[in-house]
Amino acid sequence: AQSVAQPEDQVNVAEGNPLTVKCTYSVSGNPYLFWYVQYPNRGLQFLLKYITGDNLVKGSYGFEAEFNKSQTSFHLKKPSALVSDSALYFCAVRDGYSSASKIIFGSGTRLSIRP
Amino acid sequence: DSGVTQTPKHLITATGQRVTLRCSPRSGDLSVYWYQQSLDQGLQFLIQYYNGEERAKGNILERFSAQQFPDLHSELNLSSLELGDSALYFCASSPPSRGRGGELFFGEGSRLTVL
Repeated sequence: AQSVAQPEDQVNVAEGNPLTVKCTYSVSGNPYLFWYVQYPNRGLQFLLKYITGDNLVKGSYGFEAEFNKSQTSFHLKKPSALVSDSALYFCAVRDGYSSASKIIFGSGTRLSIRP
Repeated sequence: DSGVTQTPKHLITATGQRVTLRCSPRSGDLSVYWYQQSLDQGLQFLIQYYNGEERAKGNILERFSAQQFPDLHSELNLSSLELGDSALYFCASSPPSRGRGGELFFGEGSRLTVL
């Protein structure tokens, strides 16, 4: 069964500094990896995904993520944080492409950007 | 707006009662996923349907059931409610895979409060 871990409950960064939100995964077969963001009292919004190809994927709002197969990681990054980036971030893994594939989410990391 | 509609947005009920949460997926999406998010918790996968058929099951209690109808809308039924069932319940839909990414599109959620 697949699983995903987000080792940090909270990440605090000063505005303008780079940020990293960590994610590691476990899945049999090829991983399909995703990042989502959740603002207060809202549903989750898709940020970016890794399916195949370049290990560095770019997504919405200036975010990018680096896939590292040997370390089974998919860390979310942004070169310069904004206060508006403060939100709850979820990493997710899909265990395949079939209509029966599950999408499992990590426990979430709360990102706080201070002015 | 993700295109996924969930009703009701808020629901307050008493222990022992039964409620039904409704989800309309995005036009063209055949898969519907249900997740539970408790206070400050991650998303727990409950169940997934594809074109009317149950395809994957997660940590769904026996008191909970779901179905997807021919028009592809889905309902999550929660019965014999307990205080611990208070949570945000999210529905998400996904387009047919076929190399198109497999990301989920989430509704705004139904917030259930059991008193």
